[in-house]
Amino acid sequence: DAGITQSPRHKVTETGTPVTLRCHQTENHRYMYWYRQDPGHGLRLIHYSYGVKDTDKGEVSDGYSVSRSKTEDFLLTLESATSSQTSVYFCATSGGVDEKLFFGSGTQLSVL
Amino acid sequence: GENVEQHPSTLSVQEGDSAVIKCTYSDSASNYFPWYKQELGKRPQLIIDIRSNVGEKKDQRIAVTLNKTAKHFSLHITETQPEDSAVYFCAASGGGGADGLTFGKGTHLIIQP
Repeated sequence: DAGITQSPRHKVTETGTPVTLRCHQTENHRYMYWYRQDPGHGLRLIHYSYGVKDTDKGEVSDGYSVSRSKTEDFLLTLESATSSQTSVYFCATSGGVDEKLFFGSGTQLSVL
Repeated sequence: GENVEQHPSTLSVQEGDSAVIKCTYSDSASNYFPWYKQELGKRPQLIIDIRSNVGEKKDQRIAVTLNKTAKHFSLHITETQPEDSAVYFCAASGGGGADGLTFGKGTHLIIQP
């Protein structure tokens, strides 16, 4: 497996609080992605990055922001968590456009 | 943007039989089509992929076929085994964009003993 580490692995938080999820990779991959996975919806793209400080929105970006200050780190922030953001969040990386995508182990987030 | 439809959502087969999962995509510029397997509580893992210049690819008991004209691709698993039980996702890459893969909603494959 590619060297992708997500932290934390599990988190429980309250509605209205900010939450930051971290993705760290050791593959020197240029492209990094945040997906959320919900029953019946598969994997949906939240935000992605195509280089340091270069990010863009995905399909379900409302309520989320991202930052990438180093090649190896991609942070996902829920500015004010809501119950609808309870989900499993996966980080993924790729070495190039239209290349293999490798996933981290996921973060289970519960917003109460 | 790209839209990927996947069928069926659940597939139950007897151990030893074959399983087929089908996907369609909307963007004719898509040129990369991977399949992922996800076991309960685990990360999705790539099991096979195909590019648009190839019609079929095999790896032991699994194969993928691609029909560019019809914009559909399929996963075939032969001689199914209990360890094949998982959720399978198809995906398509939107022809050179940096926004990664668009996934189907998944197929829960159940192997009956």
